[in-house]
Amino acid sequence: GAVVSQHPSWVICKSGTSVKIECRSLDFQATTMFWYRQFPKQSLMLMATSNEGSKATYEQGVEKDKFLINHASLTLSTLTVTSAHPEDSSFYICSARDRGGFNEQFFGPGTRLTVL
Amino acid sequence: AQSVTQPDIHITVSEGASLELRCNYSYGATPYLFWYVQSPGQGLQLLLKYFSGDTLVQGIKGFEAEFKRSQSSFNLRKPSVHWSDAAEYFCAVGARRDDKIIFGKGTRLHILP
Repeated sequence: GAVVSQHPSWVICKSGTSVKIECRSLDFQATTMFWYRQFPKQSLMLMATSNEGSKATYEQGVEKDKFLINHASLTLSTLTVTSAHPEDSSFYICSARDRGGFNEQFFGPGTRLTVL
Repeated sequence: AQSVTQPDIHITVSEGASLELRCNYSYGATPYLFWYVQSPGQGLQLLLKYFSGDTLVQGIKGFEAEFKRSQSSFNLRKPSVHWSDAAEYFCAVGARRDDKIIFGKGTRLHILP
């Protein structure tokens, strides 16, 4: 149980284009999902917290207009990187918190974004 | 301020040897504590967690961790490592009523044959 998927697992795009990453909780309902960014050989940096049906809460320094987050249902959150640039290249990981559980997050496998 | 410190960036042990990865935290409330493992290019897998009760926690893959409140520590141990244990290990701390969990910078474990 408690499986989180991400799609795509990797994506390459041209500078200036937008990319959408999906995060799904497959066997549980997640009222809260989290988006992290991880640079090579570094820890996870929380970008934003999304709650189903409401606006995402962004961490300080994260551009809301650059990283659009939508949490449309209890099993799906999306991260859209708008007008991507090479510096947006990174490993993006989502996690989901079980609706009724303790404060435990289940992580997706990550999405490798490369912007050319 | 809330923080998690993993003082060792890299650790190298021989296969079959014992392992201890250190984690210290600074947290105002009663903490929830986690250890995650990440293989290259992969997401995070939960090894074990501590919420309350017995301070010695057993996890998957033969790992255990001990919560020591007096030392603000939650060190991860394994009596005998396997080559497949080579990975990045993250300690994390959260709270009951706070959505966020804070990650340490990670410790990369290398295994010598």
